[in-house]
Amino acid sequence: EAEVAQSPRYKITEKSQAVAFWCDPISGHATLYWYRQILGQGLELLVQFQDESVVDDSQLPKDRFSAERLKGVDSTLKIQPAELGDSAMYLCASSLVPGQAKGERNEKLFFGSGTQLSVL
Amino acid sequence: GESVGLHLPTLSVQEGDNSIINCAYSNSASDYFIWYKQESGKGPQFIIDIRSNMDKRQGQRVTVLLNKTVKHLSLQIAATQPGDSAVYFCAENMGSSNTGKLIFGQGTTLQVKP
Repeated sequence: EAEVAQSPRYKITEKSQAVAFWCDPISGHATLYWYRQILGQGLELLVQFQDESVVDDSQLPKDRFSAERLKGVDSTLKIQPAELGDSAMYLCASSLVPGQAKGERNEKLFFGSGTQLSVL
Repeated sequence: GESVGLHLPTLSVQEGDNSIINCAYSNSASDYFIWYKQESGKGPQFIIDIRSNMDKRQGQRVTVLLNKTVKHLSLQIAATQPGDSAVYFCAENMGSSNTGKLIFGQGTTLQVKP
């Protein structure tokens, strides 16, 4: 079964350093999402792409976070500089767009295993 | 504001018993709901979904019930097994069909006692 791939699985960094996470969505999924999950809490949407375009980045802290999906396939999320409060699980998800598959809703998200970030 | 919430943060059940995880939603315009299971250190995994034109949907050992009158969603797991131990999230689309956006609840931890 196709999966969303994420790397690295774990990342430890010191505050003020730069970190980057990579995501490869399920083949053919035009929509890609980055979520942040602080330990024991729910999922916070950071950014949503459709193909290479940003659909929603209203919750992305743009002073330090950036995201790109240059060719509309894989994506990179970057944090520079990292802060202690950035410690969290960063999850990537993908989905179809309306009409891509009959009967399927494009809100049906498929998640990767995440990158666990620890900022020291 | 609009929110998706869960009634209980932790549910403890005996292996073999049935589990019921509840979720309240506040947006009456939401027309699509999903349940996800998240095991420790992993990403959320799709369990089952339901559209607002249905009030019940069954999967393998799981049933989702939707009560639009009281804006309540529940996930029933039959014959709960140790492998069902996880955090369960409900999510709704907030009535925004085809935007691909989901709003997630805070999650309920299910603990299965042997």
